[in-house]
Amino acid sequence: DNVMTQSPLSLPVTPGEPASISCRSTQSLLHSNGFNYLEWYLVKPGQSPQLLIYLGSIRASGVPDRFIGYGSGTDFSLKISRVEADDVGVYYCMRALQTITFGQGTRLEIK
Amino acid sequence: QLQLQESGPGLVKPSETLSLSCTVSRGSISSSSYYWAWFRQPPGKGLEWIGSIHYSGSTYFNPSLKSRVTIAVDTSKTHFSLNLTSVTASDTAVYYCARLSGALDDDGIWIGAGSKPWGQGTLVTVSS
Repeated sequence: DNVMTQSPLSLPVTPGEPASISCRSTQSLLHSNGFNYLEWYLVKPGQSPQLLIYLGSIRASGVPDRFIGYGSGTDFSLKISRVEADDVGVYYCMRALQTITFGQGTRLEIK
Repeated sequence: QLQLQESGPGLVKPSETLSLSCTVSRGSISSSSYYWAWFRQPPGKGLEWIGSIHYSGSTYFNPSLKSRVTIAVDTSKTHFSLNLTSVTASDTAVYYCARLSGALDDDGIWIGAGSKPWGQGTLVTVSS
């Protein structure tokens, strides 16, 4: 079975500073069509999940360019170039190839 | 813009069937470009995909839940439903519906391009 592993699980960040979350898949998410089927979601307190990144690196509409997704194959990262107070919540990576599978989540909090 | 809204009982007894509906408004289920899915999040835990359906009726399930799950699109194409049989306390969760961009590739494997929007979620508690 494919397993998605995120690190760290908890991420305290000072506003204005960068933050980075890693996501590793036990199986390659690179399809023969050249796309990486990895997505990132943010669940803010009391809200439903919101799509940040799809196909590994494409920002969803309305997502600030502070959010950057990169990686290929089995190793991916989400970088927030300058964290803002509104970025607080739990970030999930999600395999979007064959069986949809989420990572454990990374809780970002403001220092 | 498209909106999704989950509805159904908030309390289900153990061994019974959990039934939820997702109403799609300001848009149509009948688009070949999208699938429609159910997800859940147990209290204090992470997200789990349950299954997906295309308006044509094609379905696709999480192998861990497949034997207990039915997802259907209603004939009016304004909502889709989830039935989860033989529930236990471990099925207690916030259940979400969402629209999925993507398709099945030439080998019938799901390749997704984003789940958006999501409903607000509905808490279902399994308890006697």
